[in-house]
Amino acid sequence: AQRVTQPEKLLSVFKGAPVELKCNYSYSGSPELFWYVQYSRQRLQLLLRHISRESIKGFTADLNKGETSFHLKKPFAQEEDSAMYYCALRPGGYNKLIFGAGTRLAVHP
Amino acid sequence: GAGVSQTPSNKVTEKGKYVELRCDPISGHTALYWYRQSLGQGPEFLIYFQGTGAADDSGLPNDRFFAVRPEGSVSTLKIQRTERGDSAVYLCASSLGLAVTGELFFGEGSRLTVL
Repeated sequence: AQRVTQPEKLLSVFKGAPVELKCNYSYSGSPELFWYVQYSRQRLQLLLRHISRESIKGFTADLNKGETSFHLKKPFAQEEDSAMYYCALRPGGYNKLIFGAGTRLAVHP
Repeated sequence: GAGVSQTPSNKVTEKGKYVELRCDPISGHTALYWYRQSLGQGPEFLIYFQGTGAADDSGLPNDRFFAVRPEGSVSTLKIQRTERGDSAVYLCASSLGLAVTGELFFGEGSRLTVL
């Protein structure tokens, strides 16, 4: 079965602290992984995709096929990073995304 | 338009009634998606259109749910004989193609409440 698991419903940190939002996936083929973000009162939007291997707003994520993980990391959290973060999987050959349940990141001053 | 537009933004209905939710995608986007998001959950895939045809409707929960996109642009999600469990935010998204850009552009959603 194709599944995305985000084990933490809420991650609460102080400004300047490192952040790691966990994502594990279940898929036997070659996946494409994404992180989407929803800021307060805004639409769900793409943050980054593993294929592009870029850093967006200081966030990075590395696909670890051995551990079937795609954790999102940022060395120094900012208050404006507070949002809902969703990890998503695109199964190979399919044109749809399967989302995890999401993690709320709260960055306190 | 500037982005994906969904109407109505809120819909309250009674159990057993029929509901239509509309999505107007970004101009030129051939792919259109419907997702459902229940409280505390991530978006759940319902159906995907490529042009006018439903390329993947594997996420529709049962035959009370149906969606159309007759001219390859605007789409309507139709729910018959609504049940309280249908209460959720229904999200529409459009794309130039996941395989090409990897990006879905989401609307603000239609919040459906079934009393």
